[in-house]
Parts: sequence; C-alpha cells; structure tokens
Amino acid sequence: GAVVSQHPSRVICKSGTSVKIECRSLDFQATTMFWYRQFPKQSLMLMATSNEGSKATYEQGVEKDKFLINHASLTLSTLTVTSAHPEDSSFYICSARSQGGEKLFFGSGTQLSVL
Amino acid sequence: AQSVSQHNHHVILSEAASLELGCNYSYGGTVNLFWYVQYPGQHLQLLLKYFSGDPLVKGIKGFEAEFIKSKFSFNLRKPSVQWSDTAEYFCAVNARSGNTPLVFGKGTRLSVIA
Repeated sequence: GAVVSQHPSRVICKSGTSVKIECRSLDFQATTMFWYRQFPKQSLMLMATSNEGSKATYEQGVEKDKFLINHASLTLSTLTVTSAHPEDSSFYICSARSQGGEKLFFGSGTQLSVL
Repeated sequence: AQSVSQHNHHVILSEAASLELGCNYSYGGTVNLFWYVQYPGQHLQLLLKYFSGDPLVKGIKGFEAEFIKSKFSFNLRKPSVQWSDTAEYFCAVNARSGNTPLVFGKGTRLSVIA
C-alpha cells in the first residue's frame, strides 16, 4: 500500500538552531501535503497546507517565517523549524494526499525536543 | 468550516466489554469520515473510513463505525475490547469536494484493564 516516509523520527536540538523535517510519498505522487502539530495530550492541529510548486497556505496563528514549508516535487515536502525554542517542542506529523484526491496517508511523525 | 466533537475524553473499560465512542461533526456538505488510532509511542494508523455507500463500515481489528447522516454522527464500536486496544482514538472529517485537510476531534483515550 501507499507509504509516507517521515524523517527524522526524533530530534533533539539546542535552542536557536534550525531543524528540517522531510516527508516523502514513496509510491505515489502527492499533489498536496499537510503538516500537523500535536501537543502532548491534545489533538492534532493543522499548521499548513502545501501544494506542489506553490506557496504553502498557513493556518491562523502559525508563523510562516518560523515554520518554512517547501514542496518542491510531487514526492517531497519539507518543514523547517527555524531558530527553534523550547516551546516548539512537539510532535510534528505530515500527511499526503494522492492525486486521486480521496486517499490520505500519514507519516510516522517527528518528535522534536528543543533544549 | 467543519468541526468534530468527540464526547468522551477518557474511557475506561474492562476486557471483553463493548465499546462505543461518539463522534459528531458539523458541516453542511458531503463529507468523508475517518477514525484513526494512535497506540502509545506510535504514529497514527487508519482504523476505518467512510466515503460513500453502506453507512456501516468495518475496519481493522474488529472495529466498525456507523454513519448516521441525520445525526451527523460517526460512532466507533467494537463488541469486545482487548487490553491491546488501549490507545488514543481520533475521529476526523474532511469535505468531499475540493482539496481540504482533515479536521480532527480532540481524541478519546481508551484504557482497557484486565
């Protein structure tokens, strides 16, 4: 079946550094990828919608200069957390929609810990 | 905009008890409905989904859900839970038309005790 690979699964970094998270659709082309954030014991919150070849659409309250999203190809989207701070520590998860539109697949998530 | 409401924050059941987790959504148009499960320390997995057709949907691991359009509900059920069903369960919905993301409920934590 379709697989979305998200890397890294866990990252620990110092405050002020930038962290890049990759999301790849392995056997299908994803015209749209979604980035979610999950705080402990809370639901997933949509951060942004990324369409291949165009700028991402950010949800209200999400800083686009802090959370840089690039969707340069039909199989890869990246989320870069710039100048990370401890309050950015969270679980980030991507999902990809196939070109047919109905199927949605999730990556395995990235646990970010900022010290 | 869509919204999803999961009524139970935390459910505790004994093994072999029956399970029903409530999910209601608000949206005026046609929707796709999903239940996801997140086992401790793992990523989200799809339990089942409804796009169209038979409103009673069967998923993996003995779970099923029924779409009742008149009630805007998509409750998750399992006749007999096991200890291994201990997890967080999320109901989600997206609009059938257009390229819309999933809207998730706040989740229900299920604890199954021996």
